[in-house]
Amino acid sequence: DQQVKQNSPSLSVQEGRISILNCDYTNSMFDYFLWYKKYPAEGPTFLISISSIKDKNEDGRFTVFLNKSAKHLSLHIVPSQPGDSAVYFCAASAGRDMRFGAGTRLTVKP
Amino acid sequence: EPEVTQTPSHQVTQMGQEVILRCVPISNHLYFYWYRQILGQKVEFLVSFYNNEISEKSEIFDDQFSVERPDGSNFTLKIRSTKLEDSAMYFCASKGQVMTNQPQHFGDGTRLSIL
Repeated sequence: DQQVKQNSPSLSVQEGRISILNCDYTNSMFDYFLWYKKYPAEGPTFLISISSIKDKNEDGRFTVFLNKSAKHLSLHIVPSQPGDSAVYFCAASAGRDMRFGAGTRLTVKP
Repeated sequence: EPEVTQTPSHQVTQMGQEVILRCVPISNHLYFYWYRQILGQKVEFLVSFYNNEISEKSEIFDDQFSVERPDGSNFTLKIRSTKLEDSAMYFCASKGQVMTNQPQHFGDGTRLSIL
């Protein structure tokens, strides 16, 4: 099931800089997109979401951008902090169920 | 803040044995899910459950697997005859409304180790 793809398994960023995590999807029926953050030994924690009727949603240091024509979304974290170091999963939904990408491990260096 | 709770946190079972993983979803939620994550791999959808029946299941969710909501609070995943490849983290999730855009909320998972 490759409906949601995160092609970068890892990303390393300096503290204070911007982190950009990318996600692509193939199913045009998806209308709701989410980012989850996961620490070791914990479940995924909801971070931010965006509906397909929008192209941007912002919550504090986190902004999600959606490009429907390219079937692409991205998560921007600015400024990045060491506590942001985790695995970030992109997810997409077509109403009921959700599909995850493979995740990107973000490391923010002090 | 209400949360999804899963027990046990770690389950060790002999191959061929039955195992039941338990979840208590958020109390007013209506839609329930099981996912698994094999070490180092992606989170994979197993099954969704609504109105006391399976709504959708993946190809992973074969006849070895079953789900049940035995009472008003618990949601269980049963694996009838475990195999080595069933070793994974199993996550339960729940969502408030069926068709609206809402995030699913996850428990911290049960680590299942098959020996």
